[in-house]
Amino acid sequence: LAKTTQPISMDSYEGQEVNITCSHNNIATNDYITWYQQFPSQGPRFIIQGYKTKVTNEVASLFIPADRKSSTLSLPRVSLSDTAVYYCLVDTGGADGLTFGKGTHLIIQP
Amino acid sequence: GAGVSQSPSNKVTEKGKDVELRCDPISGHTALYWYRQRLGQGLEFLIYFQGNSAPDKSGLPSDRFSAERTGESVSTLTIQRTQQEDSAVYLCASSLGGRYNEQFFGPGTRLTVL
Repeated sequence: LAKTTQPISMDSYEGQEVNITCSHNNIATNDYITWYQQFPSQGPRFIIQGYKTKVTNEVASLFIPADRKSSTLSLPRVSLSDTAVYYCLVDTGGADGLTFGKGTHLIIQP
Repeated sequence: GAGVSQSPSNKVTEKGKDVELRCDPISGHTALYWYRQRLGQGLEFLIYFQGNSAPDKSGLPSDRFSAERTGESVSTLTIQRTQQEDSAVYLCASSLGGRYNEQFFGPGTRLTVL
């Protein structure tokens, strides 16, 4: 079962690019990597999902190296509204696969 | 269309009472999930329904917790003989297809057990 590890918190400033890395050493061949964002008093919201190499959408990019044992969520030109908790999820099946860790609390300052 | 809705938004109960939490998924979503989130913690998986298959109950913390889903529509999470440690936000999500698809979350029900 893939357990994910990510930093507890990160700080950055408006206009900067922020990269949050998640380690998932035990990822299996068929597993996808999904990132969610959660604001206070709200349910998480899907950001991006990938399997390998690079995925980009209108809000973020996801970089996955060839060994797939880690992934990096990249948020370009962050704003104050990007302050949130970001979760990396690797669903390998079973209860653990759908358990979100504590996530990374990203704080953006002016 | 409408997103996932949950009711009530807040529930305060006394220790030992039973509570029922409701989730209305997005229409057409075959998969439905329940999670528990304690203050400052991540999401703890509780149960997963997928179509007409038997639900995955492996995350339920005790036999006081149960959930039902009628077809591919509304689901209720029941907690019997509530304890103070049950105080948390209970989140429901649904997805189109199986558990590896994008989950859409509801706003949650904040449960406080006195």
